[in-house]
This record gives sequence, structure tokens and C-alpha cells, in this order.
Amino acid sequence: SAVISQKPSRDICQRGTSLTIQCQVDSQVTMMFWYRQQPGQSLTLIATANQGSEATYESGFVIDKFPISRPNLTFSTLTVSNMSPEDSSIYLCSGRKGREAFFGQGTRLTVV
Amino acid sequence: DQQVKQNSPSLSVQEGRISILNCDYTNSMFDYFLWYKKYPAEGPTFLISISSIKDKNEDGRFTVFLNKSAKHLSLHIVPSQPGDSAVYFCAAGVHNAGNMLTFGGGTRLMVKP
Repeated sequence: SAVISQKPSRDICQRGTSLTIQCQVDSQVTMMFWYRQQPGQSLTLIATANQGSEATYESGFVIDKFPISRPNLTFSTLTVSNMSPEDSSIYLCSGRKGREAFFGQGTRLTVV
Repeated sequence: DQQVKQNSPSLSVQEGRISILNCDYTNSMFDYFLWYKKYPAEGPTFLISISSIKDKNEDGRFTVFLNKSAKHLSLHIVPSQPGDSAVYFCAAGVHNAGNMLTFGGGTRLMVKP
């Protein structure tokens, strides 16, 4: 398996502010992704974090709202910008090793 | 359009019995499938996978069955243990067509002592 470390594990934020989530993976991971799991729903892919270039976003997600960085192979950040209560969710970093995807413990975000 | 569906949001099973979690998919291009287990406040943990060239894969108490003609897969846990209580997600992907995994909605398994 791969080791994925994600922080913070949870946060409560004021609307209108931004939160940056960090993800550290071990060197065995080839690709990195960011997912969202809204209450009672499944995991939805936000974007693929590309090393040294702009992330590839899925339909419904835009860079201005969810800027992503990946300065090197093993580290990535996701920022949730100008937050509203609708952004309250679990955000998950994922690393890919072959066909298997491994996940960090998630960041539980509550926007008040 | 939900390409991967888990129609049972929850399942309750007695300890020692078999748990069967089901997953249906619509995209015939999917050629590999995975099951994940998720405890509260933790990220999903990979359990077992199966390639479309196989119809069964077994790992200890966990067995995944794939019926390609029915576009259906199932995860069997035998015997079920209270520690298996969690949410189980199935996921599907297309090899050599990007790395996106499509997840089902999850099934909450409760194993009663």
C-alpha cells in the first residue's frame, strides 16, 4: 500500500474565508487526486493534481474555487476559496499506485 | 447519470454470517473494479480489486465476484465480524483511458455481535 498523509483532519471556517489542505504521499504513488464527499453522498473527483502544471478539473469544478498546487511528485495542496456553507464536506487526497487508489484520512470541513 | 450504483444504502448482518454487498454499473468500458471500506473520520481503505478478465478474486475473508454480462459485481465477506462494520464503496475504472475512478454511493454494513 501507499502512505498518504493529509492535514488538517478537520476545521471549522467562517464563510468567505479560504482553507488550504495539504497532502503528502510516499514516493510509490504515481498520480494524485482530490475528491469531495458531501454528506450522505459518494466520492466525487474534483481534479487531478499535475506536477508542475495546472490541475485537470472535472465538470462542475473550477480553478478559481479550488486552486490546486503540486510542486513536486509527493506533495499537493487544495484550497477551498471564498467558502460558503455548501462547501461543508469531507475533502480527500488520493494517490494512485498502479490501478489502486489510496486515500488520506480526509479533511472534514464545516463552514459556518 | 450514475454509472456505478449501490442500490442498498445499508445492510445488517449477524456476526459469523455472510455479508453480500452489491454493485451495478452501466458503462461497458469499465475493465477493472475495486472495493473500499471507510470508517468514520478516516479515508477509504482499499480492500480488493478485480479485472474484467476474471470473474472471481479472493483475499482471505473477502471475495469479489464479477458478472460482466449482467454488469454486476458483489463483495462477499465470510465470516462477518463486528469490525467489518463500515461503509463500503465500489469503484470502477477504464485502463488506458485516464485514471479516473467512478464510485458508487456506498453501502453501510452493520455486523451485529
